[in-house]
Amino acid sequence: EDKVVQSPLSLVVHEGDTVTLNCSYEVTNFRSLLWYKQEKKAPTFLFMLTSSGIEKKSGRLSSILDKKELFSILNITATQTGDSAIYLCAGTYGNKLVFGAGTILRVKS
Amino acid sequence: DVKVTQSSRYLVKRTGEKVFLECVQDMDHENMFWYRQDPGLGLRLIYFSYDVKMKEKGDIPEGYSVSREKKERFSLILESASTNQTSMYLCASSFRRNTEAFFGQGTRLTVV
Repeated sequence: EDKVVQSPLSLVVHEGDTVTLNCSYEVTNFRSLLWYKQEKKAPTFLFMLTSSGIEKKSGRLSSILDKKELFSILNITATQTGDSAIYLCAGTYGNKLVFGAGTILRVKS
Repeated sequence: DVKVTQSSRYLVKRTGEKVFLECVQDMDHENMFWYRQDPGLGLRLIYFSYDVKMKEKGDIPEGYSVSREKKERFSLILESASTNQTSMYLCASSFRRNTEAFFGQGTRLTVV
C-alpha cells in the first residue's frame, strides 16, 4: 500500500525560530515527492523533489529528498506568522498522488 | 495560470440525497483527482482519472462514484449521501504522471 507519513502532526513556535518538518514514504512505484502549503482553502504547491540530495530553495523555505532512507524534510528559517498553515507532503506513485496527514504549524508573534 | 474550478463552495444536503460535485480544469491536464480532507486525517484519495472515461479507485471509494466524459471535467457522485460524508472535498489536476497537482478551492459538504 502506498503510504506517506508526516511528523510532527502539529507544532507551535515563536517568530524567528527555525522549523523542520518531516515526511517519510513507502517505496513501491514511488517517483517524486511534493510539498504543499495550505492556509485556508486550496493547497498551494511549494516544491517537487525527484533526485536524492539536491536541495530546493525558495526564500526562507528549503527541502531535500533522501531516496535511500525514504524521507524528505522541509525547513523554514526565521519563521513569520504568515508561515502558519498546514504543510502537506505527497508522493507520486504512477498516476496517483498520495498525501500524508499534514503538519499544522502555528507561529506565535 | 492553471485554473481548477469546483462548482460549489458550500453545500448542505439531506441524508439519502444524490449529490453531484463538479470540477473543471482549463489546462488540458490528463490527470484529475478527488480527495476528501478531514481534521487529523489529511487528504485521502477517493478516485482519480488519467484519461477520459478512465477511472481508478483511491483509498476510500466506498459510497462514491465518478464520471469523466470530457477531459476537462471530473464529477464526484455521492449515490446516497450519509452524515459520515460530511467533509471538505478537494479536486485537483495534473498535466501528466509524476508532476505537481493544482487544486480547486474546495467544497465544504454538510450532510444533515
